[in-house]
Amino acid sequence: LLTQVPLSLSVTPGQPASISCQTNQSLLHSDGRTYLYWYVQKTGQSPQLLLYEASNRFSGVPDRFSGSGSGTDFTLKISRVESEDVGIYYCMQSIHLYTFGQGTKLEVK
Amino acid sequence: EVQLVESGGASVQPGGSLRLSCAASGFMFNRKWMHWVRQTPGEGLVWIARIKGDESETTYADAAKGRFTISRDNAKNMLYLEMKSLRVEDTGMYYCLRGLGDDRWTGKAWIYNDGMDVWGQGTVVTVSS
Repeated sequence: LLTQVPLSLSVTPGQPASISCQTNQSLLHSDGRTYLYWYVQKTGQSPQLLLYEASNRFSGVPDRFSGSGSGTDFTLKISRVESEDVGIYYCMQSIHLYTFGQGTKLEVK
Repeated sequence: EVQLVESGGASVQPGGSLRLSCAASGFMFNRKWMHWVRQTPGEGLVWIARIKGDESETTYADAAKGRFTISRDNAKNMLYLEMKSLRVEDTGMYYCLRGLGDDRWTGKAWIYNDGMDVWGQGTVVTVSS
C-alpha cells in the first residue's frame, strides 16, 4: 500500500512543491537499491517517468525535480513550480510486484 | 525513438474475450521486460502482468491470474494481453510499458525488481452489457 499526501495542491509559479509517499513495507532491497519511482501524468497523456530508485532523475527531467527518502517514507520536491508541471503525480513501488499511489493532483495558480 | 503503440481495445459484453496488442519499436525488444497496466477512475493505476525479454518468465497480479495471459512475439516486436471472462470492473485504459534495467545476480539468485520507463498511449477497454 502506497499513501500519497496531499491528494491535491495548488502552487504559485516559482514556489516549491512537495509530495509525500509512504509505504507499510520497506522498499530497500537486500541488493542495496530502493525500488520507488515517481511518474507524472499530464492532461490527456500517458504517465511518464520522473525519478527512479527514489532519487535519480530520468533522462530529460529538469533538475528542479528531486526525490528523497528511504525505507518507507519518500518525498518528491519541485524546487520552483512552472506552469508545465501541472498534472497528477504518482509514486510506485516495485519491490513487491508493483503498486501505485493514489496520485496527487498539482495545480499551478 | 522508443515507441509503444497499443491496439485492440473495444467494447465487449461481460464474459467476453479480447486480445490487446502493443507494437514496440526503437529499442532491443527481446532484451526488455514488458508490462501491462490498467488505469481506471476508481482504482487508479493497477499493474496487471509482466513478461521477461526471452519469454521465459511471466508474473501476474492476483486479480489477473487465470483470466489474463501476457505473451510476446519477439520476431515481430509485439506484446499481447489475452483477456477472457471479462468483467465490468476490467473496464479501463490499458497501457503497455517497457521495463527498466535488467535482471541482477545477487550472489544467490537472479532477480528483477526494476520499474518501467516508457508507456504507450493506451487502448480503451469497455466491458458493459
